[in-house]
Amino acid sequence: EAGVAQSPRYKIIEKRQSVAFWCNPISGHATLYWYQQILGQGPKLLIQFQNNGVVDDSQLPKDRFSAERLKGVDSTLKIQPAKLEDSAVYLCASSLTPGGPQYFGPGTRLLVL
Amino acid sequence: AQTVTQSQPEMSVQEAETVTLSCTYDTSESDYYLFWYKQPPSRQMILVIRQEAYKQQNATENRFSVNFQKAAKSFSLKISDSQLGDAAMYFCARVVSNYQLIWGAGTKLIIKP
Repeated sequence: EAGVAQSPRYKIIEKRQSVAFWCNPISGHATLYWYQQILGQGPKLLIQFQNNGVVDDSQLPKDRFSAERLKGVDSTLKIQPAKLEDSAVYLCASSLTPGGPQYFGPGTRLLVL
Repeated sequence: AQTVTQSQPEMSVQEAETVTLSCTYDTSESDYYLFWYKQPPSRQMILVIRQEAYKQQNATENRFSVNFQKAAKSFSLKISDSQLGDAAMYFCARVVSNYQLIWGAGTKLIIKP
């Protein structure tokens, strides 16, 4: 069974530029999560999807971050414009059911200069 | 408050020996899931073991086992026969009522050869 796929693995941009991350969850997993993880900290949930609907985006900085999950499968997370403090690893995870074990992709390391 | 506490920022163990990582949490619920995740330097989050609170039997996965004390709200991870590949950050997490994960701050495990 293929795991959660994410791309790109690394991205370096300058502040005020835009960037997009892609995630493909495990086949059949209805729930998809985007996390931001700053070095030395645990993951922080940005947004949770159930199929193609948003369950929780209370911690998503909506003035600059957006996410979508068209057709309830792949998802993209966008940052526009990026700030220095957005430098982090962005993790995508999926689970078969809400509250079930979450399986993570390899993450995207973002560096904003 | 829904919190997960890992009181050991860093632990070290000699290769082939046993180490226990501690985790405590706060909850008023009677049924919930608990997880231990491992994050090596590659930053990919890997599910190590899970425990369902209604099950009294401690979960075991090969060299990894938990000591789940429901009344004490304690969920420690025991790693037997430690190997160099076990070196990583270990995060304890609990599912809360909205099916999201509450994460501990992590414990860095160092394996001494």
